[in-house]
Amino acid sequence: GAGVSQSPRYKVTKRGQDVALRCDPISGHVSLYWYRQALGQGPEFLTYFNYEAQQDKSGLPNDRFSAERPEGSISTLTIQRTEQRDSAMYRCASSEVGTDTQYFGPGTRLTVL
Amino acid sequence: GQNIDQPTEMTATEGAIVQINCTYQTSGFNGLFWYQQHAGEAPTFLSYNVLDGLEEKGRFSSFLSRSKGYSYLLLKELQMKDSASYLCAVRENDYKLSFGAGTTVTVRA
Repeated sequence: GAGVSQSPRYKVTKRGQDVALRCDPISGHVSLYWYRQALGQGPEFLTYFNYEAQQDKSGLPNDRFSAERPEGSISTLTIQRTEQRDSAMYRCASSEVGTDTQYFGPGTRLTVL
Repeated sequence: GQNIDQPTEMTATEGAIVQINCTYQTSGFNGLFWYQQHAGEAPTFLSYNVLDGLEEKGRFSSFLSRSKGYSYLLLKELQMKDSASYLCAVRENDYKLSFGAGTTVTVRA
């Protein structure tokens, strides 16, 4: 079946602009996660959804970052007033439930100029 | 905070065996995962350990010792396609994964 999909795959934006990154999880997966991965590092946890409920947002770096999953399926990670330090690969993952294996999407490469 | 350590790089010859060690100190423990990540691609699941001992899956095996905070991933009969980064990840509660920085394995002919 189809895996996790993310769009756009690449996003170049100017400092100060807002960006919205989309994640479409594997069908039927109730748990969804956002990670950020710097080059040469492992993914870093940002936030976790169980259905539509955001149950953990402790990894979001600051209040410019927010995420939603209004219908318990597709999720959007929004970064407001982007800064150069926000440049990274943003990855989404999903699992059947929280305790199951997480499957990762291809990521969105964000570059802030 | 959490501390997950693994070697940065390893090199091995095609057909050989390589063992990637991972040590961890985390606030909680609810399982350890190994993921493979080829350059420019998404991490893909390899193995999972929650109890002490060895889990074998084809050419790949993973070992866990919870009392020592230690795991290893064993790759046997190395193939060129095994050249990738291998990520050790600890699940600290019911959902949160904390990853190490990854070990880049280069397989040479």
